[in-house]
Amino acid sequence: TQLLEQSPQFLSIQEGENLTVYCNSSSVFSSLQWYRQEPGEGPVLLVTVVTGGEVKKLKRLTFQFGDARKDSSLHITAAQPGDTGLYLCAGVGQGAQKLVFGQGTRLTINP
Amino acid sequence: GAVVSQHPSRVICKSGTSVKIECRSLDFQATTMFWYRQFPKQSLMLMATSNEGSKATYEQGVEKDKFLINHASLTLSTLTVTSAHPEDSSFYICSAFTFTDTQYFGPGTRLTVL
Repeated sequence: TQLLEQSPQFLSIQEGENLTVYCNSSSVFSSLQWYRQEPGEGPVLLVTVVTGGEVKKLKRLTFQFGDARKDSSLHITAAQPGDTGLYLCAGVGQGAQKLVFGQGTRLTINP
Repeated sequence: GAVVSQHPSRVICKSGTSVKIECRSLDFQATTMFWYRQFPKQSLMLMATSNEGSKATYEQGVEKDKFLINHASLTLSTLTVTSAHPEDSSFYICSAFTFTDTQYFGPGTRLTVL
C-alpha cells in the first residue's frame, strides 16, 4: 500500500513569514499533485510535477519533486492571509490512476 | 478547461431514504471518475473508482450495495447512498481523470441525514 506522509498537519504563522510543507513516501510516484481546499469546497489543483528534480513556481509558491520521485515540498514565501487553507499533496502510483493523498496541512496565516 | 460539477451541493434527508449525487465533467470526457468522502478536518478518503460502461471498483471497507455507482456516459457518474443513516452524513467529492494524468475535483456535496 502506497502512503504519503504530509507534514506538518497544522501550521499557524504570521503574515510575511516563509513556510515549507513536506510530503514523503517510500514509494515512487509517476506524478504528484498539490491541491488547495477551502471549507465546503472541492480541492483545486495548484500544480502537477512529473519529472524527478522538477521545480515549478506559482507566484510565491514553489513546488519541488524529489529526484527519486518519492517526495515533494511546497514552499510559500512571504505568506499572506489569503494563503490560509487546507493544502493536500496527492501522488499517482506507477501504472495507476488512483490518487494517494497525504493527511493534509491546515495552514493559517495571521495578519 | 477541465471543469467538474456536482449536484446537489447540499442535501438533507431523512434516515432510511436514498440520495443520488451527480458528477459531471463539463468540457471533457472522462472514462474514469472517482468518488471520495471527507470527514471534518480530515483528508479525502477514496471510496470507489467509476469506469464508464463497466462496474465500479470499490475500496476495501466500502459497501458496494450501500453506495451504488453508475457511470452511464463519458461525462456523468452518479453515486446513490441507499437507506441513508446519520453516520453516512459527510462531504462527498467526485473527481474526473483527464488524459494529462491529472484529476480535477468537483465542488463537493454536503449530505446530512437526520
